[in-house]
This record gives sequence, C-alpha cells and structure tokens, in this order.
Amino acid sequence: NAGVTQTPKFQVLKTGQSMTLQCAQDMNHNSMYWYRQDPGMGLRLIYYSASEGTTDKGEVPNGYNVSRLNKREFSLRLESAAPSQTSVYFCASSNSGTGLYNQPQHFGDGTRLSIL
Amino acid sequence: GEDVEQSLFLSVREGDSSVINCTYTDSSSTYLYWYKQEPGAGLQLLTYIFSNMDMKQDQRLTVLLNKKDKHLSLRIADTQTGDSAIYFCAESIRRSSSASKIIFGSGTRLSIRP
Repeated sequence: NAGVTQTPKFQVLKTGQSMTLQCAQDMNHNSMYWYRQDPGMGLRLIYYSASEGTTDKGEVPNGYNVSRLNKREFSLRLESAAPSQTSVYFCASSNSGTGLYNQPQHFGDGTRLSIL
Repeated sequence: GEDVEQSLFLSVREGDSSVINCTYTDSSSTYLYWYKQEPGAGLQLLTYIFSNMDMKQDQRLTVLLNKKDKHLSLRIADTQTGDSAIYFCAESIRRSSSASKIIFGSGTRLSIRP
C-alpha cells in the first residue's frame, strides 16, 4: 500500500534553477494538495486541486506553479528557485466528501529542498 | 481570524499520560484532527472528532473537545518511547456548501524521558 508517494526525497538547488516535485496517490482520491512546512509555522497550503482538471491557489502560492496531470498525479514546479523556498514540501490527498477539506488528508513523506 | 495554537514542547516520563492541548478561534469548525509526525516522515492521521462530539476514545488515545472554550486536547495513556513525535492539531472550517479549508497548528514536540 503505497498511499502518497513523493519524489525526490531530497534536493539541493542553486538560486535561479528550476525544479518539479512529483506526487502520486493510489487511493483514487479526488483532491490533492501541496504544503510547505517551516520551523515553528506548521503547514501552509501552497496550491490544491479539488478534482482532476482544476487547481486553485492556497495561502502561499507565489513562486510556484502546479499541474494536475491526471487523477493520480499532482506536480509542483519552482520556476526560479529562491532561498526563501528552502523548506520541506508535503503532498496530500483526500476524498472530497461533502466539503473539500472535511475528509482527512493523507500525506506523503515529504521532499526536503534546500536552495543555496 | 483563523488560528490554531499549540504549545511547542512537552516532556513526559515513560508510562505517564501525555496531554497535548490546542486552542482554535473559528467557531464554524466541522472536524478537528490530530496528526502525528515522526522524524523524516509525513503527517499521519491519528484521530479526528466531529464538532458536535465532546469526546472520542481510541485505545490509548482520548480526544476531548470543549466547544465553549474552543479547546481540544489529546491524551495519550501509558506514554511509550514510540510516541515521541510532533503532534499537529488541525481544524476544518466550512466556508460554503462545497468548500472548506483546513488550518494546522504549529505542532507540539513530545519527548519521552525514562
């Protein structure tokens, strides 16, 4: 049972480089999310996709783009990485249920990204 | 505004009970969650409680909800070394008939001493 799989697990980039973080879920969930986790700040939502074909901005979308490739996959792209984007990135998925966030979210193990 | 607050650290002796507290500000919460994060891993859903419940028990875990004070707690009985982790409180807030959002606290780091 893979659940939510994120790749890569670790990455170091130089300022200005681009990169795509990959996420795939095998639970047939409709909704997928990207968060970043910074010390003392909990999780902040970057972008989400309520269903295949739709994406929406979360709390901190600047500097990021996303693609919902199909029902299983939701990728996060940094076009021009900045040191402020050094963080741990988590992908999550859930069933939509009667409200987008009412169903529990299932998380991947995260991607640790450092921007030098 | 929307805010979820937790203390940052808690240290308990092995075998004692741990109580992790959380306060939230939005009275329109629908579900409240407790997640556990072990080092190097993602968040694992431990338990959740619907906003019209006062208490939920699941083996060693007891969740208490005080809606009047907007206070949520997680009690872990007979705390073991494997319970060392960061515990996140989160609330789901309904915004419309088809949309809601989830707000996470900053997490409480639980350490177990022998």
